[in-house]
Amino acid sequence: AQTVTQSQPEMSVQEAETVTLSCTYDTSESNYYLFWYKQPPSRQMILVIRQEAYKQQNATENRFSVNFQKAAKSFSLKISDSQLGDTAMYFCAFISSGTYKYIFGTGTRLKVLA
Amino acid sequence: NAGVTQTPKFQVLKTGQSMTLQCAQDMNHNSMYWYRQDPGMGLRLIYYSASEGTTDKGEVPNGYNVSRLNKREFSLRLESAAPSQTSVYFCASSGTRTGTMETQYFGPGTRLLVL
Repeated sequence: AQTVTQSQPEMSVQEAETVTLSCTYDTSESNYYLFWYKQPPSRQMILVIRQEAYKQQNATENRFSVNFQKAAKSFSLKISDSQLGDTAMYFCAFISSGTYKYIFGTGTRLKVLA
Repeated sequence: NAGVTQTPKFQVLKTGQSMTLQCAQDMNHNSMYWYRQDPGMGLRLIYYSASEGTTDKGEVPNGYNVSRLNKREFSLRLESAAPSQTSVYFCASSGTRTGTMETQYFGPGTRLLVL
């Protein structure tokens, strides 16, 4: 069975600093996609970044970047220049190519301190 | 372009009552999904509809039914609500072009309290 593990229930970071959120997954598939979603207090699930497993290059979106280690089945999210608006729950998610079922981790609650 | 919309935003039910959660998307996506989110857990898939006219069970389908009314709309029905169904419910949709099918876009959620 495919699983996604986020081992850090809570983290905090000072404004303008950099923080890394961890995610590991388990699958026997070779083609899949990984995502980070942000859920602020409003509860809206917002896509932060997406990584295709077949791509060796790590995805980046402005201040957000990932460290994708396929052999280690690791997919961490780095937030640079943290802002107060980054305070949210962050979920890692996995989906096999051609399927419809997301597997979510249990989330990491990130608090950015002023 | 509203994306994915859900109604209602919040609902209180008594045990045994029924209700339908509504979801609509205006992104011309083929696939739609219903999730529930409980404290300390990630989202769990209840049902999904890969395309208009088809529905399939997800991880936690018991106690729920769904209807894919048309391409835009996908409803979730609780026939006889139970306290264990107290949760936040999210609808999502995804496209079908290669490289986009796997990315799901979420609605704002419906908070349901069953007493």
